[in-house]
Amino acid sequence: DAKTTQPTSMDCAEGRAANLPCNHSTISGNEYVYWYRQIHSQGPQYIIHGLKNNETNEMASLIITEDRKSSTLILPHATLRDTAVYYCIVSPSKTTDSWGKLQFGAGTQVVVTP
Amino acid sequence: DAGVTQSPTHLIKTRGQQVTLRCSPKSGHDTVSWYQQALGQGPQFIFQYYEEEERQRGNFPDRFSGHQFPNYSSELNVNALLLGDSALYLCASSFQGRGETQYFGPGTRLLVL
Repeated sequence: DAKTTQPTSMDCAEGRAANLPCNHSTISGNEYVYWYRQIHSQGPQYIIHGLKNNETNEMASLIITEDRKSSTLILPHATLRDTAVYYCIVSPSKTTDSWGKLQFGAGTQVVVTP
Repeated sequence: DAGVTQSPTHLIKTRGQQVTLRCSPKSGHDTVSWYQQALGQGPQFIFQYYEEEERQRGNFPDRFSGHQFPNYSSELNVNALLLGDSALYLCASSFQGRGETQYFGPGTRLLVL
C-alpha cells in the first residue's frame, strides 16, 4: 500500500491560506488521496478526496501533481477552528487485500494563530 | 440526517474485564469499520463489517471481536482487557466499503485501570 509523508507541524496565521503538503511517491494509478482532520479528542472529519484532477469543496481545495506523487491541501482562509491534526491518506485500491482499511500516519499538527 | 453515533462516550474498566462498544452508522450506509487510537497516535484499523460478516481485519488479537446487526449497527467487543487497550475507539461508516468515503463517529474513550 502507498504510504504518505507529511510535515510534523506547521503554523498558519488566521485569515491566511494554509497549504498542507503530502508526498505519496508510491501511489498506484487507481488509488485515491484522502484528507481527514481531527480536532482534539474528536473523531476524524472527512475533508476531501481526489484521484487525478484538482478538487474543491466548501471546506478546502486539493491539488494533485500531474505525476500524482504529491498533493497539497489548501484551506483558503484559515480560522482558529481549523487548528487540528490533518491526515493525508492513500486509499487502498479495490484490487488489493487492504481496500477498506484506512492507514493513518502521524499527520500534520496545524496551529492557526490570531 | 444523523451522522455516525457511538455509545458510550466514556468508559472505565479494570484489567481482565470485558467491554462492548456500540456504533450506529450514518443513514444509508451499510459498512462499519472500527479503529483504535492510542494517545498521540493516528487511528489504527481493527476490522470492517459488511453484510453482517467481518470482511477485513487489521493486526489485532482475537480478544477483539465484533458483530454487525441486520440494521447495519455494530458492536466491538474486547475481552480480557489490558492496560494497553486504553484508547479512543472510533467507528466509521461507509457505503459498501468499496473504497468509499468513511465517515467517523465521535468515538468512545476507554480507560483500563
